[in-house]
Amino acid sequence: GQNIDQPTEMTATEGAIVQINCTYQTSGFNGLFWYQQHAGEAPTFLSYNVLDGLEEKGRFSSFLSRSKGYSYLLLKELQMKDSASYLCAGWDSNYQLIWGAGTKLIIKP
Amino acid sequence: GAVVSQHPSRVICKSGTSVKIECRSLDFQATTMFWYRQFPKKSLMLMATSNEGSKATYEQGVEKDKFLINHASLTLSTLTVTSAHPEDSSFYICSARDRALAKNIQYFGAGTRLSVL
Repeated sequence: GQNIDQPTEMTATEGAIVQINCTYQTSGFNGLFWYQQHAGEAPTFLSYNVLDGLEEKGRFSSFLSRSKGYSYLLLKELQMKDSASYLCAGWDSNYQLIWGAGTKLIIKP
Repeated sequence: GAVVSQHPSRVICKSGTSVKIECRSLDFQATTMFWYRQFPKKSLMLMATSNEGSKATYEQGVEKDKFLINHASLTLSTLTVTSAHPEDSSFYICSARDRALAKNIQYFGAGTRLSVL
């Protein structure tokens, strides 16, 4: 079956760095997405990785290892507004997104 | 980034009435649109995939006669919740994929919070 695993909740301190891991098992693979979702709002796109390696975009970076079925989202210089759920989603061979349950990130002052 | 407009953002209705939710891609053509449902503190649950000009593909367990989807053009898809009941109360989110092959990103509307009394 297809599966996306990520931690349910993480806590970090303002100004620090946090890494949110995601492992995936999909039928075929056409890339991996990270989305941010604040409570009561729709998800917003953060990153898309289809090749191995690290993609940096400002304070956020995303990493992919296709051989390990693994990705992570790295958030630097954490701000209070980064408190949100972070959704990992894998794109299978039918170009259907398989969603993880999301990681709720709590930022403390 | 691309903009997906979803309307209305919030609906409160009586049990037995029907509710229509619109989803528009404002600055791109969306060959495919997706309708999701999300329960509190849960992840997105795909309800159906809608392709312009053809019938929607519903996920297992989703009643096609209850959740009517119409994808009339490359920029508009609608979801109609027919004869709504309190158990249909949820957060409904649409998503659209850019038609251009190089753009694989799904963009989301702001969501519609449906409350059925």
